[in-house]
Amino acid sequence: DSGVTQTPKHLITATGQRVTLRCSPRSGDLSVYWYQQSLDQGLQFLIQYYNGEERAKGNILERFSAQQFPDLHSELNLSSLELGDSALYFCASTKTSGSGNEQFFGPGTRLTVL
Amino acid sequence: GQSLEQPSEVTAVEGAIVQINCTYQTSGFYGLSWYQQHDGGAPTFLSYNALDGLEETGRFSSFLSRSDSYGYLLLQELQMKDSASYFCAHNYGQNFVFGPGTRLSVLP
Repeated sequence: DSGVTQTPKHLITATGQRVTLRCSPRSGDLSVYWYQQSLDQGLQFLIQYYNGEERAKGNILERFSAQQFPDLHSELNLSSLELGDSALYFCASTKTSGSGNEQFFGPGTRLTVL
Repeated sequence: GQSLEQPSEVTAVEGAIVQINCTYQTSGFYGLSWYQQHDGGAPTFLSYNALDGLEETGRFSSFLSRSDSYGYLLLQELQMKDSASYFCAHNYGQNFVFGPGTRLSVLP
């Protein structure tokens, strides 16, 4: 158990809908990263927050957005969902935002878009 | 830009040693990390190299050569439970980039 929690574990929805994925980092960690992993694909970095502020953006679509709240939990919002958005979404946390920090990954949310 | 390359699959037998290579192209480099991911599971951190040389952690070692833009993960005394995907990753600024992953199959 990494100490990072994600809810829900599974989510099934239809095209065109909007969903929100939630992540709570490990106690004391200030930085949260979001990743997308499609079937048999590597991990695609989406976005990073540090202490409530956006720190880095990766390959995140405009239909996707995220935020980190004062209690440090983070939410990833996916809208106008398409079949291709079906994937595992992971969040990870670290104490700081520096390079090389061990990232602790949550168990992931499996999103299925029908 | 930045990209990392890894072999897609490696197969070895229990008790053997296996090396998983990672080459990268990046205009900025802050070190190479390695992660393990079992099927259906979350990635877990294995090691990090910021400087050239070998880092050893139990049965796993990781090596980096910045002049060659190359690193590898060495797994010794392979066990069945080592069957998993292994990803190299690096920071590009604040951006984290993962390689495509190497699927390791350990045979009895």
